[in-house]
Amino acid sequence: QKEVEQNSGPLSVPEGAIASLNCTYSDRGSQSFFWYRQYSGKSPELIMSIYSNGDKEDGRFTAQLNKASQYVSLLIRDSQPSDSATYLCAVNRLGGSARQLTFGSGTQLTVLP
Amino acid sequence: DAGVTQSPTHLIKTRGQHVTLRCSPISGHKSVSWYQQVLGQGPQFIFQYYEKEERGRGNFPDRFSARQFPNYSSELNVNALLLGDSALYLCASSLPRDRGTYEQYFGPGTRLTVT
Repeated sequence: QKEVEQNSGPLSVPEGAIASLNCTYSDRGSQSFFWYRQYSGKSPELIMSIYSNGDKEDGRFTAQLNKASQYVSLLIRDSQPSDSATYLCAVNRLGGSARQLTFGSGTQLTVLP
Repeated sequence: DAGVTQSPTHLIKTRGQHVTLRCSPISGHKSVSWYQQVLGQGPQFIFQYYEKEERGRGNFPDRFSARQFPNYSSELNVNALLLGDSALYLCASSLPRDRGTYEQYFGPGTRLTVT
């Protein structure tokens, strides 16, 4: 079992729709969760972080965390063609000194005009 | 403010050679982490350095080493390059843990090709 699993994708949504990206993790000690966006040929860009159960909203993005179910998701409202990218879910087990992020393989999102 | 910077942008090396990659963190950030990303996969953790000390190491062979300098910049060294070392090498910086935030910000990466 992979430590962090994401929908394999690719995921296609029409412009203006809601894109839903999902991620599950296996380590119950994980305490911080991140979503990164990566355009083709570029490095990952942090778009959301979430530490507590529930929802966190930032503009068109909403991150949802359920630690009991070991599940974190990202919703993108009013999707735009510029949102077309690979979205990476990352988790971090706090404790000790290491800032070790464990990533999923990513979900490729295409927003169709 | 300038983001994380990395050099060089691209690099082509031959099997068996050695390579040094460089990273400068965001101003005020004292922690630097290195990741390797091969095509189609998420980044994999290699090292974390904080205050010039190694604070974490991923599942990579001893051919990989790193260090952090007093100005918090960092180098990643890879010896005896293999074809499988071809990847995007990413550096990420973050604030100290006692600042209450754990976000890591990535630099543009160094694309290493081993032939």
